[in-house]
Amino acid sequence: DGGITQSPKYLFRKEGQNVTLSCEQNLNHDAMYWYRQDPGQGLRLIYYSQIVNDFQKGDIAEGYSVSREKKESFPLTVTSAQKNPTAFYLCATGQGARETQYFGPGTRLLVL
Amino acid sequence: AQSVTQLGSHVSVSEGALVLLRCNYSSSVPPYLFWYVQYPNQGLQLLLKYTSAATLVKGINGFEAEFKKSETSFHLTKPSAHMSDAAEYFCAVSDYKLIFGTGTRLQVFP
Repeated sequence: DGGITQSPKYLFRKEGQNVTLSCEQNLNHDAMYWYRQDPGQGLRLIYYSQIVNDFQKGDIAEGYSVSREKKESFPLTVTSAQKNPTAFYLCATGQGARETQYFGPGTRLLVL
Repeated sequence: AQSVTQLGSHVSVSEGALVLLRCNYSSSVPPYLFWYVQYPNQGLQLLLKYTSAATLVKGINGFEAEFKKSETSFHLTKPSAHMSDAAEYFCAVSDYKLIFGTGTRLQVFP
């Protein structure tokens, strides 16, 4: 069954804690993206990767980190430096710039 | 820089009525334009995409959008709303990344 999986569906973070959100795809897409969604603000790009072992900062990368060691996987770490992490996080994949992006089901991050 | 503006954060229609969701774009190059739909607590699903072929683009679930260069618009329409159309809709323009509008929440009343 082809698609994009994100886990967990809900994630709780304590103060000062780093947490990692998982994104896995079996669509064989080269590009992967992480977005943050806040009410009334649309989607904002955090990081993106167009090829394995390479990634670029998006518009709101501060307080986040990523890795792209495998084509299928693009995990996002929300570090303790991100002071307002409560949001809905969406992973997307695509075949490159200007191509359609396909979205996973999302992870909702809440702060305890 | 490319951008999109969605006019109206909330739109309400009666079931069976015309749906019109507005999107205006700004782009220095011929744009690729997208409409996505998001149901509560879910990811985004592609409705349709414009890539400079036909100006009238048909999508899923009976939606369509018309590209009007003179008006820099890409409005989304559906002739007859259904209760299941209630969701949030996002317009986006593609550069090296997707740039999203702030979304329009569609409510459908019986």
